[in-house]
Amino acid sequence: GQQVMQIPQYQHVQEGEDFTTYCNSSTTLSNIQWYKQRPGGHPVFLIQLVKSGEVKKQKRLTFQFGEAKKNSSLHITATQTTDVGTYFCAGPGGFGNEKLTFGTGTRLTIIP
Amino acid sequence: DAMVIQNPRYQVTQFGKPVTLSCSQTLNHNVMYWYQQKSSQAPKLLFHYYDKDFNNEADTPDNFQSRRPNTSFCFLDIRSPGLGDAAMYLCATSREPPAVTDTQYFGPGTRLTVL
Repeated sequence: GQQVMQIPQYQHVQEGEDFTTYCNSSTTLSNIQWYKQRPGGHPVFLIQLVKSGEVKKQKRLTFQFGEAKKNSSLHITATQTTDVGTYFCAGPGGFGNEKLTFGTGTRLTIIP
Repeated sequence: DAMVIQNPRYQVTQFGKPVTLSCSQTLNHNVMYWYQQKSSQAPKLLFHYYDKDFNNEADTPDNFQSRRPNTSFCFLDIRSPGLGDAAMYLCATSREPPAVTDTQYFGPGTRLTVL
């Protein structure tokens, strides 16, 4: 079955440093979604990427979808304490497949 | 405005005692999902409804059942909870299946404790 892996599993950074998480799927994806889950909270949608090589920015967050549509990355510039949480990528199993497979997640902690 | 509501937020049950978790949505979305999330793990899809069509994941135990009496409501029934079923249960909705469209909206979750 489809597998979606993320690295690193954990990341501790000083406030103000940059952070990147990488997502790799075993299958080609029609789109990739990113979610953020705060400690004790529920996943919240951040963004969706659809096109090969697509890059989208949300303030300090930059999302990229690979050319082969099997990998993606999330980069946060100058982290803040509000960035704390677990970041999940998620991809559908393929056209017509209604299942969204979540990546293993990267847990970000910020050292003030 | 709450869009996906889950009740209760916390549920304590005894080993083997049936429990029902509920989810409602005000988004009029076609698809409703139930996920199980254990500590430090990704959400794991149990099953989903696309309108009235029920789709069970192959590895979802028979102990877990679901009902969707109408568009707005969906229930998760755990017939005989075991200690291993203690987890956060997340309900989510989307307009269309994820391969076609966009985001899933998650409820706040129900944290289930099994004694």
